Amino acid sequence: DQQVKQNSPSLSVQEGRISILNCDYTNSMFDYFLWYKKYPAEGPTFLISISSIKDKNEDGRFTVFLNKSAKHLSLHIVPSQPGDSAVYFCAASVNFNTGKLIFGQGTTLQVKP
Amino acid sequence: EPEVTQTPSHQVTQMGQEVILRCVPISNHLYFYWYRQILGQKVEFLVSFYNNEISEKSEIFDDQFSVERPDGSNFTLKIRSTKLEDSAMYFCASSGMRARDNEQFFGPGTRLTVL
Repeated sequence: DQQVKQNSPSLSVQEGRISILNCDYTNSMFDYFLWYKKYPAEGPTFLISISSIKDKNEDGRFTVFLNKSAKHLSLHIVPSQPGDSAVYFCAASVNFNTGKLIFGQGTTLQVKP
Repeated sequence: EPEVTQTPSHQVTQMGQEVILRCVPISNHLYFYWYRQILGQKVEFLVSFYNNEISEKSEIFDDQFSVERPDGSNFTLKIRSTKLEDSAMYFCASSGMRARDNEQFFGPGTRLTVL
């Protein structure tokens, strides 16, 4: 099941710079997308979401961009901080009534001081 | 801040044994989920639960799996006869008034090891 794909397993950026995490999807029925962050030995923590009726959503240092025609979304973190180092998962919602999420494989972000 | 809790944090069992993984969702939430993550793989949806019944389940969630909300606070996942391939992190999640357009809060997970 490759409906949600994060093709970069890892990303390393310098503190203060921008981190850009990418996600592609194949199912055009997806209409709600989320980003989760996960530290070791913890469950995923919600970061930010976007509905398909929007192309951008911003929350503090985090911005998610959605390009429906390309079936692509990205998460921008500006400025990046060492505490942002974690695994980031993209997820898509496929069923409004049940809330089922389909996750990508995750991208490990390392922010170097 | 309210949080989802899960017990135990680590469960070791022999193949063929029954296990029950326990979760306490956030108290005013109405939608409950189980996901699992096999080591090195994606987080996978198992089941969603609302109003005391399953609202959706994945193909992984076969007859060996069941869920229950026995007392209005706990939400359990039972695996009747565990297999080696059931070894994974199991995450419980809950969300509030709507299944979608609403953040799912995840617990810290239970690591299940089947020997």
